[in-house]
Amino acid sequence: EDKVVQSPLSLVVHEGDTVTLNCSYEVTNFRSLLWYKQEKKAPTFLFMLTSSGIEKKSGRLSSILDKKEPFSILNITATQTGDSAIYLCAVVGNTGKLIFGQGTTLQVKP
Amino acid sequence: EPEVTQTPSHQVTQMGQEVILRCVPISNHLYFYWYRQILGQKVEFLVSFYNNEISEKSEIFDDQFSVERPDGSNFTLKIRSTKLEDSAMYFCASSFDYEQYFGPGTRLTVT
Repeated sequence: EDKVVQSPLSLVVHEGDTVTLNCSYEVTNFRSLLWYKQEKKAPTFLFMLTSSGIEKKSGRLSSILDKKEPFSILNITATQTGDSAIYLCAVVGNTGKLIFGQGTTLQVKP
Repeated sequence: EPEVTQTPSHQVTQMGQEVILRCVPISNHLYFYWYRQILGQKVEFLVSFYNNEISEKSEIFDDQFSVERPDGSNFTLKIRSTKLEDSAMYFCASSFDYEQYFGPGTRLTVT
């Protein structure tokens, strides 16, 4: 059965800290891995990763994929209170549907 | 920036009633999805839709559920006879390729 596992499940840091969120998966016919940020409601798209070793970057956020292990990490540097959210990792399998992990709840304290 | 929209934002219904959740996907997208998230749990896939037919459905998507794209812009999820366990946040998503964009969700409360 296809599975996506995120760690840690929750994390509390202070503003300015750097965090690393992890996502491992077992999926037949992997197509790509996506990261989302979920605040109050809908997951908002952050990154899509398809190839190993190529870092995607947007401001203070970056992500990389290792298809051999397989896992992905999401890094957030110089965290701000506005980064507080649930971060979701999802993998696209053979049929296009997303298989989600349980999410990492990040709380950034001032 | 184009976005997926959903209505209503919150729907309260009695057990056994029918509900229709509505979504307007991003206009040039080809693939449409419904997911749900029960409070405190993972986001779960319900159904995918492409070229006016269901391409895949999960075990959750039983005969009580149906989807339709009635007019080329709306995409609807119907639950024929709601149960208490259908209470959840329902998200519509659309994509052109693998990047799926989510709507704000409809919170369905079945009493």
